[in-house]
Amino acid sequence: EADIYQTPRYLVIGTGKKITLECSQTMGHDKMYWYQQDPGMELHLIHYSYGVNSTEKGDLSSESTVSRIRTEHFPLTLESARPSHTSQYLCASSTRDRDTDTQYFGPGTRLTVL
Amino acid sequence: KNQVEQSPQSLIILEGKNCTLQCNYTVSPFSNLRWYKQDTGRGPVSLTIMTFSENTKSNGRYTATLDADTKQSSLHITASQLSDSASYICVVSDRGSTLGRLYFGRGTQLTVWP
Repeated sequence: EADIYQTPRYLVIGTGKKITLECSQTMGHDKMYWYQQDPGMELHLIHYSYGVNSTEKGDLSSESTVSRIRTEHFPLTLESARPSHTSQYLCASSTRDRDTDTQYFGPGTRLTVL
Repeated sequence: KNQVEQSPQSLIILEGKNCTLQCNYTVSPFSNLRWYKQDTGRGPVSLTIMTFSENTKSNGRYTATLDADTKQSSLHITASQLSDSASYICVVSDRGSTLGRLYFGRGTQLTVWP
């Protein structure tokens, strides 16, 4: 099992609240990712990072922001949550090997915004 | 348009039976193809990865095939078990960028009944 952790696992909050989803990995991976997944749909990349102080937006437009101050930590923040943010958020990490770059996923955070 | 299409969308089989899941892709240029297993409420876990030169790879009761000419892959599960109930996701990586962009299918939801 991969050493990548996400907290909280489940979160129910009201509209307008600021939230931070935590993601940590102990594998020393340089690359980290955030995906959004709705039931029965494919994963959509919303943010990624090549390493410390490196962050990029992914394919899916998102109102969230991320930071990468330490290699092992890649938190995602929503300044003002809305019902449209209700989804499952998956964090992943991988090594720098481009050809066989396998992503290791955390267990996910299921967010519900009322 | 999603460049990775999986079929069937869902499948129910009896314990002990075999099954085959399909993945067709249009991603180009091709780097590699992975199959992931995602249990309900969990993050995906890698089962197999195949590069252009590989046409079959096994991982226990899971055997993946790849035909890079027709851009098709299959995942065969032998002697299914109740624990095989999950979503199986096909993921294709391209060579178009340093990141090696990933294209996700929507998954096949497999249910194994006793």
